[in-house]
Amino acid sequence: SQQGEEDPQALSIQEGENATMNCSYKTSINNLQWYRQNSGRGLVHLILIRSNEREKHSGRLRVTLDTSKKSSSLLITASRAADTASYFCATVPTGANSKLTFGKGITLSVRP
Amino acid sequence: NAGVTQTPKFQVLKTGQSMTLQCAQDMNHEYMSWYRQDPGMGLRLIHYSVGAGITDQGEVPNGYNVSRSTTEDFPLRLLSAAPSQTSVYFCASSPRLVWMGSEQFFGPGTRLTVL
Repeated sequence: SQQGEEDPQALSIQEGENATMNCSYKTSINNLQWYRQNSGRGLVHLILIRSNEREKHSGRLRVTLDTSKKSSSLLITASRAADTASYFCATVPTGANSKLTFGKGITLSVRP
Repeated sequence: NAGVTQTPKFQVLKTGQSMTLQCAQDMNHEYMSWYRQDPGMGLRLIHYSVGAGITDQGEVPNGYNVSRSTTEDFPLRLLSAAPSQTSVYFCASSPRLVWMGSEQFFGPGTRLTVL
């Protein structure tokens, strides 16, 4: 079963613009992770945010977590054509031995 | 470090054939897992291992076997391939259990087609 659901399913923006992607989930989580997948490649980990954290930054990436709304957002600032990829939200529910559960992903296209 | 490697990159099988997808990592990670990725479905966990000699089932284990005789290798066996197993398969490893707050490192994937 998939816990995280990303929104929108697809996003097309101009280079230089900011891209905001959202993820909602159903049950309490231990942590939430965002991954990027370039076409035909494996997934690459971007950022992990724990349930007791509200915001994290990594370079041009900013992730927020609102546990009361069971949602997270990934912001990519000053987007580049190289940011074109699929982005996945993955959640780890609370409880020992919980597994990483992936959403269906968001396709981001950045036009040069 | 090569990270997580997978072989083969592509494979075509006939229904009923068996094969093994290879996965190896050189990061000394205890935790390894296999996922399949289907269009519109995201990634689904097939099997995972928390260390050599220890494996367990994920969300979609039917039709697949795994073993973990060494820390480095985690092969996935398809016992009798079916068209429903047409998918892209990803192997991943992590230094700690994901529920303890660990990222996963993914291999490049194996694209499998079952005719």
